[in-house]
Amino acid sequence: AQSVTQLDSQVPVFEEAPVELRCNYSSSVSVYLFWYVQYPNQGLQLLLKYLSGSTLVKGINGFEAEFNKSQTSFHLRKPSVHISDTAEYFCAVGPLIKAAGNKLTFGGGTRVLVKP
Amino acid sequence: DGGITQSPKYLFRKEGQNVTLSCEQNLNHDAMYWYRQDPGQGLRLIYYSQIVNDFQKGDIAEGYSVSREKKESFPLTVTSAQKNPTAFYLCASSIVPLGTEAFFGQGTRLTVV
Repeated sequence: AQSVTQLDSQVPVFEEAPVELRCNYSSSVSVYLFWYVQYPNQGLQLLLKYLSGSTLVKGINGFEAEFNKSQTSFHLRKPSVHISDTAEYFCAVGPLIKAAGNKLTFGGGTRVLVKP
Repeated sequence: DGGITQSPKYLFRKEGQNVTLSCEQNLNHDAMYWYRQDPGQGLRLIYYSQIVNDFQKGDIAEGYSVSREKKESFPLTVTSAQKNPTAFYLCASSIVPLGTEAFFGQGTRLTVV
């Protein structure tokens, strides 16, 4: 079984400041990881994903995340946020075993509020 | 345009009624999923299907039912047995190989009145 913890439920940040959203996971098997963004009353949109290879993953809209296997973390960062980055962000993990299919386990979400 | 269509966007249900949420995809994906979203709890998996005519329970299947008669369609019925059905419901689809991302619909907000 997997579990995902997003350590901050809300993150207020000023426009053009950097932001980091923290995600820790636990799993008894190897995993692949995602960050999704959700704007109000909409579905989820993929920001980036990690499957293998380089631990630094670049995504859309200037976001990047770093996979740290020893710390079981997958933190999301952006060096300079815009007002349009105000949204809720979800970290998700999936087990790399065929029997589990592509079932994802999601964290509780981090709400980012960008202030002018 | 390829994508996932959920309907309706808003749905109101009286207590004791069953309601069915529609999910259609034209991405030719084999796998489809239903998630429930509640504030502060992230997304929780209700049911998923990896192939037509087959589906499995997720973490919170009680009070819900699904069918997968066509590859494109995966409707979710919220039955009267679901004690707290008010939530935002999200449908998703993916190809089957591991590590592939899920694509999400725009969601249906269900409110019990």
